[in-house]
Amino acid sequence: QKEVEQDPGPLSVPEGAIVSLNCTYSNSAFQYFMWYRQYSRKGPELLMYTYSSGNKEDGRFTAQVDKSSKYISLFIRDSQPSDSATYLCASPMEYGNKLVFGAGTILRVKS
Amino acid sequence: GAGVSQSPSNKVTEKGKDVELRCDPISGHTALYWYRQSLGQGLEFLIYFQGNSAPDKSGLPSDRFSAERTGGSVSTLTIQRTQQEDSAVYLCASSARDRGIHTFGSGTRLTVV
Repeated sequence: QKEVEQDPGPLSVPEGAIVSLNCTYSNSAFQYFMWYRQYSRKGPELLMYTYSSGNKEDGRFTAQVDKSSKYISLFIRDSQPSDSATYLCASPMEYGNKLVFGAGTILRVKS
Repeated sequence: GAGVSQSPSNKVTEKGKDVELRCDPISGHTALYWYRQSLGQGLEFLIYFQGNSAPDKSGLPSDRFSAERTGGSVSTLTIQRTQQEDSAVYLCASSARDRGIHTFGSGTRLTVV
């Protein structure tokens, strides 16, 4: 079993839709959680960073962490074609902060 | 530079040849990481450098893979006797050692033919 599980999609939605991206994790030692966005032929870029359970909002993006169920989510409101990318959830290992990634979900927002 | 720079951006090599991939991290970032991203896969950790400490090589898939970091800055990932299964995007990231927030380069796309 992978430490971070993520449905690879692809997920296709119409412009303006609310998108929900999800990951589950198995390692109770994970304390921090990140969402990275990766455009085609580019490196991942940090989108959201959370620590505690609950919600964190940044513009159209909301990251949600539920440590009791080991479940993390990213919501995108009013999705735009420019949001079309691969979204990766990740958590740093306690030592060295090397990141453990989910497989990534491919999102396509159709105009 | 302002970001993490990787070169070359693309590399096609013949099976059995050696390749060197270069990473120039953000100035002042003490931590440097290499990851591999294969088609349909997530990012797989390879190796981690932190300051002058011994590197964490626990993710290297075989002894054909090695990496060094000179002067606490530029890093080179070397793959000897390349195999077709080495074809992937190799990503470098650096961090200022603050809870693992990585800044990634655009990667080197390696194709072994």
